[in-house]
Amino acid sequence: EADIYQTPRYLVIGTGKKITLECSQTMGHDKMYWYQQDPGMELHLIHYSYGVNSTEKGDLSSESTVSRIRTEHFPLTLESARPSHTSQYLCASSESDLRESYNEQFFGPGTRLTVL
Amino acid sequence: KNQVEQSPQSLIILEGKNCTLQCNYTVSPFSNLRWYKQDTGRGPVSLTIMTFSENTKSNGRYTATLDADTKQSSLHITASQLSDSASYICVVSDRGSTLGRLYFGRGTQLTVWP
Repeated sequence: EADIYQTPRYLVIGTGKKITLECSQTMGHDKMYWYQQDPGMELHLIHYSYGVNSTEKGDLSSESTVSRIRTEHFPLTLESARPSHTSQYLCASSESDLRESYNEQFFGPGTRLTVL
Repeated sequence: KNQVEQSPQSLIILEGKNCTLQCNYTVSPFSNLRWYKQDTGRGPVSLTIMTFSENTKSNGRYTATLDADTKQSSLHITASQLSDSASYICVVSDRGSTLGRLYFGRGTQLTVWP
């Protein structure tokens, strides 16, 4: 079982609210990722980080922002939630040496977000 | 364009039966292919990984195959159990980036009935 945690697991919130989804890992991984997944659809990369103070946008445009102040922590923030943000958000991490790990990413349990 | 296609989209089988899931990909340059199992409401968990030189890999009742020439992979599940009910996702990694980018299929939703 991977040591990567996400909170909350479920969140129902009204339009316009600011939310932060938490993600933390205890494996000492430098690389961390946020994915968005809708039912029956593939995971889409929305943010990633190579390490502390490094954040990049992924393939799927997202109005969310991320920060990486500590190695183990990679929170995602939505300043003003909208119904279009309703989705499952998955956090993942991987080792720095991709040759060692063959790019394996370890996933958290996800946060199911519903914006009313 | 790098893509991963899976079939069937969904599958229902009876407990104890075998099944095979398919994956076709166009990812290049190819690094490795993984099959992940994703239980409802959970994150994906890796089942098997295969690199270019490997054409079969087993993990208990799960056996994955890879044909790098035709860019096809399959996941065979033997003697299915109720706990096998999940989405099975084919994930291909390229070796062209330092990020270790992953390309995900949409998954095959497997339901095992008693």
